Amino acid sequence: EVQLVESGGGLVQPGGSLRLSCAASGFIVSTNYMTWIRQAPGKGLEWVSLIYSNGSTYYADSVKGRFTISRDNSKNTLYLQMNGLRAEDTAVYYCARERAVAEIAYWGQGALVTVSS
Amino acid sequence: DIQMTQSPSSLSASEGDRVTITCRTSQNIRGFLNWYHQKPGKVPKLLIYATSKLQSGVPSRFSGSGSATDFTLTISSLQPEDFGTYYCQQSYSIPRTFGQGTKVEIK
Repeated sequence: EVQLVESGGGLVQPGGSLRLSCAASGFIVSTNYMTWIRQAPGKGLEWVSLIYSNGSTYYADSVKGRFTISRDNSKNTLYLQMNGLRAEDTAVYYCARERAVAEIAYWGQGALVTVSS
Repeated sequence: DIQMTQSPSSLSASEGDRVTITCRTSQNIRGFLNWYHQKPGKVPKLLIYATSKLQSGVPSRFSGSGSATDFTLTISSLQPEDFGTYYCQQSYSIPRTFGQGTKVEIK
């Protein structure tokens, strides 16, 4: 059974850093396209970042240069390092796995990140 | 970036009604269009992928159609559990983009 479990969310001050983790089971992270999607309170879904199986990475303009997506193959875990956090980064962050035509069939439960002083 | 325009932004319908939600993209996405349903406080759930393929376990009252830049999600007979917000998403190119959502309320 495919499972994605996020951790690392919390309250951080503007300008601070946080690293989200997404522990996967039931499949191999490194052979799949993995993505982060966020949802600000009361708002819609926003695509954040994607890592291909070949290691290529992609980012939304809103986070480019501040966020870094990575994975640890030995731990079968996906990460999102978030630096220079802003109030507008406050959201629930979902880890997810893309499937054959890049649809998202598997989602984590979400991790809440709150950026506030 | 591909822009997504979803309509309506909200609707209210009765149980048993036929409901249609549309999604228009700013360029041809060659059928790479997916639909998700999210209930308040819950994780989004995949309903339809590649325009018209029904995700396993999703009731057959849900269907998708369309091509090029115009796509439709149809609920043939609205059920009480279908309340929530529906999102379209293009997976043709990066950045992936979502529609702004359609909030469905049951009268």
